[in-house]
Amino acid sequence: DAMVIQNPRYQVTQFGKPVTLSCSQTLNHNVMYWYQQKSSQAPKLLFHYYDKDFNNEADTPDNFQSRRPNTSFCFLDIRSPGLGDAAMYLCATSDQGMSTDTQYFGPGTRLTVL
Amino acid sequence: RKEVEQDPGPFNVPEGATVAFNCTYSNSASQSFFWYRQDCRKEPKLLMSVYSSGNEDGRFTAQLNRASQYISLLIRDSKLSDSATYLCVVNMLNNDMRFGAGTRLTVKP
Repeated sequence: DAMVIQNPRYQVTQFGKPVTLSCSQTLNHNVMYWYQQKSSQAPKLLFHYYDKDFNNEADTPDNFQSRRPNTSFCFLDIRSPGLGDAAMYLCATSDQGMSTDTQYFGPGTRLTVL
Repeated sequence: RKEVEQDPGPFNVPEGATVAFNCTYSNSASQSFFWYRQDCRKEPKLLMSVYSSGNEDGRFTAQLNRASQYISLLIRDSKLSDSATYLCVVNMLNNDMRFGAGTRLTVKP
């Protein structure tokens, strides 16, 4: 059974048209992450939530926002997508309370910007 | 210095070979370390966690040297199915996860 689910798996948007990517988890983990991964590059952390506490990376553009309405769901909002935002967006979770902080990744959403 | 650095690769090895990847990290306060594998156009999947000096899981051995801020991954008896990109991940502190650029491995028949 899928533990970290991302929807949609593929998203096409137009330049400047807002888009929202969704992540849900059945693991009841308290930490959720959003990464951006461009072709042949490592995943780059955009931000993460520890419970309701939002932690933004210093170099994450303001164009990227996130919401976590409850433990299970986390959203990535791209307010005005540019061509350079085309990438795979990965959601991950971890449980801070456990002795390990292993991350579990969703299958990703591949974003195309036209 | 990059926060997490890996061997650039690519590594092309024959089946049955032993191959080792290295990874260095910049933050001496980092507490936990991981190796993930990522297949083309797929999400990263955990291969091994490294919490003490190292651990072994079948053909895979990970080692940690805190003094040198260095972790390694050794793959013995390489299989064709080991072909993937191997990502070194470091929890810098407080869930600040940093990935290395990845090392691409191709195992050839």
